[in-house]
Amino acid sequence: EVQLVESGGGLVQPGGSLRLSCAASGFAVSDYYFNWVRQAPGKGLEWVSVIYSGGSTYYADSVKGRFTISRHNSENTLYLQMNSLRAEDTAVYYCATTSPERITIFGVVRPFDLWGQGTLVTVSS
Amino acid sequence: DIQMTQSPSSLSASVGDRVTITCRASQSISSYLNWYQQKPGKAPKLLIYGASSLQSGVPSRFSGSGSETDFTLTISSLQPEDVATYYCQQSYSIPYTFGQGTKLQIK
Repeated sequence: EVQLVESGGGLVQPGGSLRLSCAASGFAVSDYYFNWVRQAPGKGLEWVSVIYSGGSTYYADSVKGRFTISRHNSENTLYLQMNSLRAEDTAVYYCATTSPERITIFGVVRPFDLWGQGTLVTVSS
Repeated sequence: DIQMTQSPSSLSASVGDRVTITCRASQSISSYLNWYQQKPGKAPKLLIYGASSLQSGVPSRFSGSGSETDFTLTISSLQPEDVATYYCQQSYSIPYTFGQGTKLQIK
């Protein structure tokens, strides 16, 4: 069964750092693209970052220069390194992708049909 | 960046009603429009992709339409289990922006 499981969330002080993990099972992270999406308490969804199978990475302006997306192929895990954290980064962070068995059906649209359960990051003193 | 604007922000309807939610993109996104349903404490769930294609396992009362800049999600006969927040999202260009959400409740 393909699934994504996030971990690494917690309470951190403003200016601090945290690394989130998203462990994939049933497929190889090296072969697909992965996104991080966050949701502040009581708010909507915000796309944060993407890493493509070729290694290209992109970020939302709100996190550019502070967050780094990466993957460790042998651990089959996606990461989000978050530095210089601010109160407004407080959110549930989800990793999301297009599931391997549906990629051909979805074609170039690439919706996010596979999500992790989310991990809560709280930035507060 | 492409801005996605949903309306209404909240909606209350009766069981069996036909419900429509709209989403407008700030520029043309062809059919790169997806709809998600999110229930409290849960990850979003894909309902519609490519503006009008129903995701596998999603009830047929859900449908999507539109292209370029104007899109619609329709629930043909509202059921109690449809209470949730609905989001549109464009996958045309980075950043892959979401609409602000429409909270749907039962009257």
